Amino acid sequence: ETGVTQSPTHLIKTRGQQVTLRCSSQSGHNTVSWYQQALGQGPQFIFQYYREEENGRGNFPPRFSGLQFPNYSSELNVNALELDDSALYLCASSRRTDGRYEQYFGPGTRLTVT
Amino acid sequence: QQPVQSPQAVILREGEDAVINCSSSKALYSVHWYRQKHGEAPVFLMILLKGGEQKGHEKISASFNEKKQQSSLYLTASQLSYSGTYFCGTVSHSGGGADGLTFGKGTHLIIQP
Repeated sequence: ETGVTQSPTHLIKTRGQQVTLRCSSQSGHNTVSWYQQALGQGPQFIFQYYREEENGRGNFPPRFSGLQFPNYSSELNVNALELDDSALYLCASSRRTDGRYEQYFGPGTRLTVT
Repeated sequence: QQPVQSPQAVILREGEDAVINCSSSKALYSVHWYRQKHGEAPVFLMILLKGGEQKGHEKISASFNEKKQQSSLYLTASQLSYSGTYFCGTVSHSGGGADGLTFGKGTHLIIQP
């Protein structure tokens, strides 16, 4: 167990809808990164949050947005859902933003868009 | 660009050894290794840092060749619990921005009794 929690576990949405996924980071960690993992692929970096601000982003459109709260928990919001957004969404927490630190993943949210 | 992992898949008998390779076209700052079982989240195994520092699993070893931008994960005397998909995630700069991991496509490892 990593201490990173995510909710909900599973979610089914219709194309065009909006979704919010939640992540609580491990105690002592101030950085949260979000990843999208399509079936049979490695996780893809969406963005990272540090001190309540977006600290960097991967190759994802602006309809993917997020928040980080003072307790370091985080949300991922996806607007105008598309069928290709169906995936496992993982958050990972780490002690610092620096690549020297381990990232520990939560159990993920499985999103299905129909 | 994502790192290239090899082999794509490997089947072993319990007790045999395996090596999984990860190669990048970019200069690497750190390499992170994870194991993921079907339907579960990736589990952290090891991190290798530029300069030689390593942190991680006691029973799994790895190497990092900074000049060749390559890392290898060594699984010795494999156990049934080692089955899963192994991913390397790389960081190509030393800070000043988000250090999101860039993952390879994974290596599927099957351990048979």
